[in-house]
Amino acid sequence: GNSVTQMEGPVTLSEEAFLTINCTYTATGYPSLFWYVQYPGEGLQLLLKATKADDKGSNKGFEATYRKETTSFHLEKGSVQVSDSAVYFCALRLYGGATNKLIFGTGTLLAVQP
Amino acid sequence: DADVTQTPRNRITKTGKRIMLECSQTKGHDRMYWYRQDPGLGLRLIYYSFDVKDINKGEISDGYSVSRQAQAKFSLSLESAIPNQTALYFCATSDSGGNYNEQFFGPGTRLTVL
Repeated sequence: GNSVTQMEGPVTLSEEAFLTINCTYTATGYPSLFWYVQYPGEGLQLLLKATKADDKGSNKGFEATYRKETTSFHLEKGSVQVSDSAVYFCALRLYGGATNKLIFGTGTLLAVQP
Repeated sequence: DADVTQTPRNRITKTGKRIMLECSQTKGHDRMYWYRQDPGLGLRLIYYSFDVKDINKGEISDGYSVSRQAQAKFSLSLESAIPNQTALYFCATSDSGGNYNEQFFGPGTRLTVL
């Protein structure tokens, strides 16, 4: 079946540290991949996306590269800030599907300390 | 003003009660979704609707029903609430163009069933 696996949190970092949150997927077909972010008390917001192999999504200093050979879409940021503290969800959507259904990972809580 | 609104934001109820969660959107999107979020499980799709006359079950529809009263409104009902329906519920919307449409989420409704 189709699924997304994320590293378990919480991830606790000091400000300006390097961030990696691992995400791997299993999918039949050719998925589009997404990272969503959920700030405290809010709904999810799209952070970045990639629609085909080797694409790199980027936004707000975050990056993720679609790696078909390793079925991965790891999220990275070179220097995190306290304001990046949130829950991060990796998700996939199957290309060409009629439903636009997203399959989410379990989420990874990031806590950045000053 | 928020594009996707949910009411109520918080609700505490008792086992066996009927509960309705409401979602409204001003984005003009034709597709709407209901998810629930549980710790360690990520988001799971309950129901989705592609237009006013189209309702589809998601992966965890048992115990829930929905109504698409208008393009902008999509309600989720729990006919007889039970404690394991305690969760954070999110409504989302997307348009129908393209193959990797972004989903826009509401702020969530925290439901507690005692």
